[in-house]
This record gives sequence, C-alpha cells and structure tokens, in this order.
Amino acid sequence: AQRVTQPEKLLSVFKGAPVELKCNYSYSGSPELFWYVQYSRQRLQLLLRHISRESIKGFTADLNKGETSFHLKKPFAQEEDSAMYYCALTPSGAGSYQLTFGKGTKLSVIP
Amino acid sequence: EPEVTQTPSHQVTQMGQEVILRCVPISNHLYFYWYRQILGQKVEFLVSFYNNEISEKSEIFDDQFSVERPDGSNFTLKIRSTKLEDSAMYFCASSEVGGGADTQYFGPGTRLTVL
Repeated sequence: AQRVTQPEKLLSVFKGAPVELKCNYSYSGSPELFWYVQYSRQRLQLLLRHISRESIKGFTADLNKGETSFHLKKPFAQEEDSAMYYCALTPSGAGSYQLTFGKGTKLSVIP
Repeated sequence: EPEVTQTPSHQVTQMGQEVILRCVPISNHLYFYWYRQILGQKVEFLVSFYNNEISEKSEIFDDQFSVERPDGSNFTLKIRSTKLEDSAMYFCASSEVGGGADTQYFGPGTRLTVL
C-alpha cells in the first residue's frame, strides 16, 4: 500500500524567504507524484506534477527516488502563497488512479 | 473555465438517515471519483467510476455507500444509513481520461454533518 508523509503541519516564513515543503512517500512501484493546493475558501487544485517537470507560480518539485521524496520549493515566498498544500501519489501503470494524499502543510507567509 | 460542481454545500442529517450527495463533473470527462476528508485528517479516496461501473474502491467504501450516474451529467454518492463517523467533507473529482498523469479536477465539496 502507498503512503504519503508531510512532516510539517504548519510552516511560517517571511515574505521573500525561501520555502520548502517536505513530502516523502512510500510505494513499492514507480509512482506519479503531485502537489495540490487549497487557497482559503477555494477548492483543491493541482499545482504541479512531477511528470511535467514544470514550474508553476515559481514553485518546483523534484522527485528523488533514492530518498523517496518530492519536496516543493520556491526561492522567494509571496503573501499569496499562503494556503494548504497537499502532496499526493498515484501508482503508475498499475491500473489504479486513486490519489493518496498526505495530511497537508499549511503555509503561512508573513508580510 | 469548466468546473466540477457539488450540491448541497452543507448537509445536516440525523444518524440512520439516507443522504445523497450530488456532483456534476466536467462535461467531457470520463472518470469520476469521490474522496472524503474527516476534520483534521487527510483526504481519503473512496471510489472511482468509469463507463457506468465502479473501477476501484477503498475499504472505506462498504455496503453503506453506493454511486450512480443517473443521467448524462450527474454523479451521486449515496450513504444508506449514516453514522456519526460519516461526518466529513466529501469531494467529487473528475478527469478526462484515467492514468496516473491525468489531472483530477475537484469540486468545492459537501460538508456532511451527522447528528
């Protein structure tokens, strides 16, 4: 069974400071990994996924298979980044499309 | 931009009653999902649905739960006899195709409170 761990419940950073939201996963196969974000009073929405290797809103995430990690990073935090961030995994090539989520990290950017 | 919609936004019910949560997925999407989030806990997968049948379900999705696509637009989750522990936020999601790299688009959720 797969598992996603986000060790920080809350992360507070000052505006302009670097941000790193940690995510570790456990899965015996090759997973697809995602970061979802939920802004205040809004729905869960996809931020980025590792297969796209893209940068969205200045955020990047690199899959490290050796460390089974998929940390989310941004060099300079903005106030509008304050939100709940969820790391999620789905098995690749296993015919399963369910997302397994971590508990989420609340990012608070202090002006 | 098309969005997944859910009704109602908040449902209060008595223990033992049946509830139906409704979702309208994005129109050209083929895969539909239900997730739930108990307060303070993680978002958990319940069930996925494709081609008018369940394609996958979790251990949470027991005989008390059922899903249906009664027409070309709605996707429903029914809980037959609600329990206190069913109180949670229920999210519907849809995706254009299946596959791990496909994006699941989430609705705003229905908050279910069982008294």
